[in-house]
Amino acid sequence: QVQLQQWGAGLLKPSETLSLTCAVYGGSFSGYFWNWIRQPPGKGLEWIGEINHSGFTNYNPSLKSRVTISVDTSKNQFSLRLTSVTAADTAVYYCARGFGWYSFWGQGTLVTVSS
Amino acid sequence: SSELTQDPAVSVALGQTVRITCQGDSLRTHYASWYQQKPGQAPIIVMYGKDNRASGIPDRFSVSSSGNTGSLTIAGAQAEDEADYYCSSRDSSGKYWVFGGGTKLTVL
Repeated sequence: QVQLQQWGAGLLKPSETLSLTCAVYGGSFSGYFWNWIRQPPGKGLEWIGEINHSGFTNYNPSLKSRVTISVDTSKNQFSLRLTSVTAADTAVYYCARGFGWYSFWGQGTLVTVSS
Repeated sequence: SSELTQDPAVSVALGQTVRITCQGDSLRTHYASWYQQKPGQAPIIVMYGKDNRASGIPDRFSVSSSGNTGSLTIAGAQAEDEADYYCSSRDSSGKYWVFGGGTKLTVL
């Protein structure tokens, strides 16, 4: 069974950089796309971006200038960096596997941006 | 605002049939996928592609598509189906992925 386990800092100050990592256990790492999706408190889901095992990336244009998704195939992990965070970036961040549909999700990490 | 539009809330009587819709230009050429999310939990995939049911999803869930509208139908809704439902597909450019705003389903 595929499991995604994610971690990272949960409290940031404005202008800091958000950093999260997602480890994939079970199943194949190559041949899939790996995604970050977020959900502000009480609101809907927002796709942040995707990466494949070769490092091909695709980002939400509304976040593209601040987002970097990277992959470490030796560890079956992928990571999210979001720079210059503001209160608007406060959300539960999820990692997920899929290309257009997301079959497996991480447990979610609440990231709060507050001074 | 999202490029995929969903009704914010829908209700259904226990055991009755309910349809949750998702509208967007991209749905004329791309299928929607559907997710169920209960409070405090990560979303789970329900349906994807033309009519693929995710593993473990009861067969009372089905999907259909017509024009710019994709629909998730629950035939004989159960109390445990009460949740938020999200659709997802390509944006209008066809380059990125987007989610609908979500529909809160209440089972009465």
